[in-house]
Amino acid sequence: QVQLQQSGPGLVKPSQTLSLTCAISGDSVSSNNAWNWIRQSPSRGLEWLGRTYYRSKWYNDYAVSVKSRITINADTSKNQFSLQLNSVTPEDTAVYYCVRMSLYSNTRHFDPWGQGTLVTVSS
Amino acid sequence: VLTQSPGTLSLSPGERATLSCRASQSVRNGYLAWYQQKPGQAPRLLIYGASSRATGIPDRFSASGSGTDFTLTISRLEPEDFAVYYCQQYDNSPLTSFGQGTRLEIK
Repeated sequence: QVQLQQSGPGLVKPSQTLSLTCAISGDSVSSNNAWNWIRQSPSRGLEWLGRTYYRSKWYNDYAVSVKSRITINADTSKNQFSLQLNSVTPEDTAVYYCVRMSLYSNTRHFDPWGQGTLVTVSS
Repeated sequence: VLTQSPGTLSLSPGERATLSCRASQSVRNGYLAWYQQKPGQAPRLLIYGASSRATGIPDRFSASGSGTDFTLTISRLEPEDFAVYYCQQYDNSPLTSFGQGTRLEIK
């Protein structure tokens, strides 16, 4: 059974960098899946932020709303992937989820989800 | 853009629930999914490929639809079904997006 375990700070100061990590068990970060970050807030609902996946080399896709500030990386040695969001503001306060999306079937859905991390941007 | 209706649905246990998800552009059937979210929990996959139940999902949950109109039906509501439900599409700009959710509450 695939499980995703998130870690990272719950409080980040404005203008600083939000960093979260998602450890994968039961699957490989290099498998035929995309590894995503999604956030949820009352004002924005569920918002997809970006993904990383491996197809002979690593690829990334990012949401337009955060494209200038986001980096998602995979670490094959630790079988995990990470999120960095730069120059955060209070509007980045949300619950952040890491999530897998299969790329080997003809469907595209998110499963499983990490447990979620509430990140508050405040001084 | 995915628009879910109604925003809130008030029903009693044992009743039938019908939730709607409408897309602004046609969605390939394989690329529409439904999720259930309870307070304090991550969303849980219910339906993928527009109509296939995920592993472990009871058969009182069913879904149908194509193109721009999709429906999630819960045939007989159990107490644990009261939650927020989201639809999700893939492939239309943005790459993937969610509806705003339907809150299913006990009447």
